Amino acid sequence: NAGVTQTPKFRVLKTGQSMTLLCAQDMNHEYMYWYRQDPGMGLRLIHYSVGEGTTAKGEVPDGYNVSRLKKQNFLLGLESAAPSQTSVYFCASKPSSNQPQHFGDGTRLSIL
Amino acid sequence: TQLLEQSPQFLSIQEGENLTVYCNSSSVFSSLQWYRQEPGEGPVLLVTVVTGGEVKKLKRLTFQFGDARKDSSLHITAAQTGDTGLYLCAGEDNYGQNFVFGPGTRLSVLP
Repeated sequence: NAGVTQTPKFRVLKTGQSMTLLCAQDMNHEYMYWYRQDPGMGLRLIHYSVGEGTTAKGEVPDGYNVSRLKKQNFLLGLESAAPSQTSVYFCASKPSSNQPQHFGDGTRLSIL
Repeated sequence: TQLLEQSPQFLSIQEGENLTVYCNSSSVFSSLQWYRQEPGEGPVLLVTVVTGGEVKKLKRLTFQFGDARKDSSLHITAAQTGDTGLYLCAGEDNYGQNFVFGPGTRLSVLP
């Protein structure tokens, strides 16, 4: 019963490096989300997708790109990592509008 | 921009006490959700409230959605150490697509 799986769980990068975070869900959900969580600020929406092939910007999209080529996967890319992107990243999915989200366990990313 | 505020930010109480945490906004939401998050894990949904004035009970937890659908409260009766965690509220926009999270209330229940 996997639900929402995020890989990797931890990563350390140097400033300027690039990487991709993968989110996979096995629940056939239409909607998927990427959030970042920083101390005292709750979760802030980076990008989201309401279906395969679609993406939209959230509250804090700068410095990130996303792709939803397959319904079950939502990728978050950092083209040139910056220390300000040090955070815990959470992926979530939900089946349709007005439904609750299901979260992964997060990816802890440190940019040196 | 829709914003959610939560109060208090931190709360430390003794086991057996009652407590209430609040989630407030100047915006109207189509629904509001409460999550609990433990260290190293993602948020886990506790409840969704949809109708203004709605009250939902989940064992010792009582959730209320304001009449105007702008605010909500979570009341815990006879808190237990297992209630310790970060409580987050999240408002869903009127399109049913997007969520805004509050900053959370960090609750510690001491034995």
